[in-house]
Amino acid sequence: KAGVTQTPRYLIKTRGQQVTLSCSPISGHRSVSWYQQTPGQGLQFLFEYFSETQRNKGNFPGRFSGRQFSNSRSEMNVSTLELGDSALYLCASQGLAGSPGETQYFGPGTRLLVL
Amino acid sequence: AQTVTQSQPEMSVQEAETVTLSCTYDTSESDYYLFWYKQPPSRQMILVIRQEAYKQQNATENRFSVNFQKAAKSFSLKISDSQLGDAAMYFCAYISSGAQKLVFGQGTRLTINP
Repeated sequence: KAGVTQTPRYLIKTRGQQVTLSCSPISGHRSVSWYQQTPGQGLQFLFEYFSETQRNKGNFPGRFSGRQFSNSRSEMNVSTLELGDSALYLCASQGLAGSPGETQYFGPGTRLLVL
Repeated sequence: AQTVTQSQPEMSVQEAETVTLSCTYDTSESDYYLFWYKQPPSRQMILVIRQEAYKQQNATENRFSVNFQKAAKSFSLKISDSQLGDAAMYFCAYISSGAQKLVFGQGTRLTINP
């Protein structure tokens, strides 16, 4: 089975721009979670989608949004980029039922640099 | 709010020796799951081991095992016969059965000396 894929792998943007990141889960997985990883804050949960519905959201401003499509692929969008949004964005997919105890499998991440 | 603490920012071990990484967590929940993830320089997070809180038996995966002490809220990872490929950042993570988000510790950077 192919793993979780994320595109693009690297991205450079300037302040004020917006960006869209994409995540394709493992085939058959219906839950997709997004995390932000920075040296200062570590790994922080952004949001989680299951069957096209956002089930959980972390403590991030409204500039961070996401969606999930009927094929379980997910996108996250960050509008009005700030320097502090520079980070590694990780996507994780979870098994068939999307329950908390199931292992989350991570993609390789998208490294975003905001200048 | 649940928190996960990894008190060792860095650890090093000689190849073929054993090393233990510490993790403690704080929660009022009784039903939850704990994980250790490895993040090598490639940055991809890889699951090392998973523990269900309701199981008293410690999880093992080949050279990796945990010491799960539920009352003490401790979840340490033991790596036996360390190999050069074990060098990575190791993250301890917690998830409640009532939530859908992993809570991560700050990580421990493990160096393997040849």
